[in-house]
Amino acid sequence: DTAVSQTPKYLVTQMGNDKSIKCEQNLGHDTMYWYKQDSKKFLKIMFSYNNKELIINETVPNRFSPKSPDKAHLNLHINSLELGDSAVYFCASSLVAGSNYGYTFGSGTRLTVV
Amino acid sequence: QKEVEQDPGPLSVPEGAIVSLNCTYSNSAFQYFMWYRQYSRKGPELLMYTYSSGNKEDGRFTAQVDKSSKYISLFIRDSQPSDSATYLCAMTYFGNEKLTFGTGTRLTIIP
Repeated sequence: DTAVSQTPKYLVTQMGNDKSIKCEQNLGHDTMYWYKQDSKKFLKIMFSYNNKELIINETVPNRFSPKSPDKAHLNLHINSLELGDSAVYFCASSLVAGSNYGYTFGSGTRLTVV
Repeated sequence: QKEVEQDPGPLSVPEGAIVSLNCTYSNSAFQYFMWYRQYSRKGPELLMYTYSSGNKEDGRFTAQVDKSSKYISLFIRDSQPSDSATYLCAMTYFGNEKLTFGTGTRLTIIP
């Protein structure tokens, strides 16, 4: 019974393509996040949604667009993929905005742009 | 200067040793401190959570926070090969919707 599930786990695609990553949580959490982890394991926030409302939008290219159809789902669509987009993308959720209860992370989507 | 600094390692110690992992931070607003463990090809999992200066113990793990020095530590006693992972410190403050992570320390416990 996975708490935060992401699909796909692996994604290999060519430069210029458009791709989506899906995330679902069954924890009843109000807040969901997208984080990017680079090759040096550094985790950096990209977006945060609280109950379907965007609350954090870090300095991320416009090619990245999150969508939250309901509070249990947060998808990430990426247009015109570039080599530098290769990374592991993690979805996470927390009970309340403010994250002082800690996050629950998904297992990640390893994106490779060739 | 990064808000959170963490020695990336790698760190290799023999089984049974005591491990000390550390982070320093510059933002005095941080008040909640976490340690995450990340196994290879997995997502980070919350290991310890503290919000005040002092020590918090959970089994073989002890989290230590020194707000005056802006320094946090994670100690692992009687280390096991299954503790081999990357350990990430993270911190935030009330009303802030994001965690700020350290760069992670890769730990290997040698049987």
